[in-house]
Amino acid sequence: GAGVSQTPSNKVTEKGKYVELRCDPISGHTALYWYRQSLGQGPEFLIYFQGTGAADDSGLPNDRFFAVRPEGSVSTLKIQRTERGDSAVYLCASSLGLAGGSGELFFGEGSRLTVL
Amino acid sequence: GQQVMQIPQYQHVQEGEDFTTYCNSSTTLSNIQWYKQRPGGHPVFLIQLVKSGEVKKQKRLTFQFGEAKKNSSLHITATQTTDVGTYFCAGPGITSGTYKYIFGTGTRLKVLA
Repeated sequence: GAGVSQTPSNKVTEKGKYVELRCDPISGHTALYWYRQSLGQGPEFLIYFQGTGAADDSGLPNDRFFAVRPEGSVSTLKIQRTERGDSAVYLCASSLGLAGGSGELFFGEGSRLTVL
Repeated sequence: GQQVMQIPQYQHVQEGEDFTTYCNSSTTLSNIQWYKQRPGGHPVFLIQLVKSGEVKKQKRLTFQFGEAKKNSSLHITATQTTDVGTYFCAGPGITSGTYKYIFGTGTRLKVLA
């Protein structure tokens, strides 16, 4: 598709389980971002990739959160030992990054995670 | 760390009234972006401002970047029900050449018909 694709759109899991969220960015976009958005809040930065490498992971809340982008395209956000406080919408965005452009972030529809 | 605050948090206006949201950063920004998020939707890019004192217009929307590049505003003239949503500003936190965009707290606009 032409836009950023995120799967699953909804995920319900139990406390302590492992979760993977996938993001497929716009073709040709070298920069990829993960944000977390709780109800009534602004998107909270988690991690930013330029190509395959994590250029800035300072927003990851703790070592239960990890993200990869092995081939510089699709990215997976991995959450271990989920806690109820992890419940939120996880947004992925991509941009042309260092390849140029206005820096505009194109967001996916998000993955809504609910931890019971 | 870098913080981006917006005021007001909420604004209810009658259709046809004007609306303004203000964005303030704790650090100087190289540029600032504005996004709109409709209820139940995802943020959608509106505009990017780069130059000190820059003013850009999109139909009824006017965006301004402060002279010190630490604040910005979005003004909507004669609001319509289609303007409903939350407006976010976002600024890049440049650390060692990376470009993570920090989003503001947002202003939720409700337009009463």
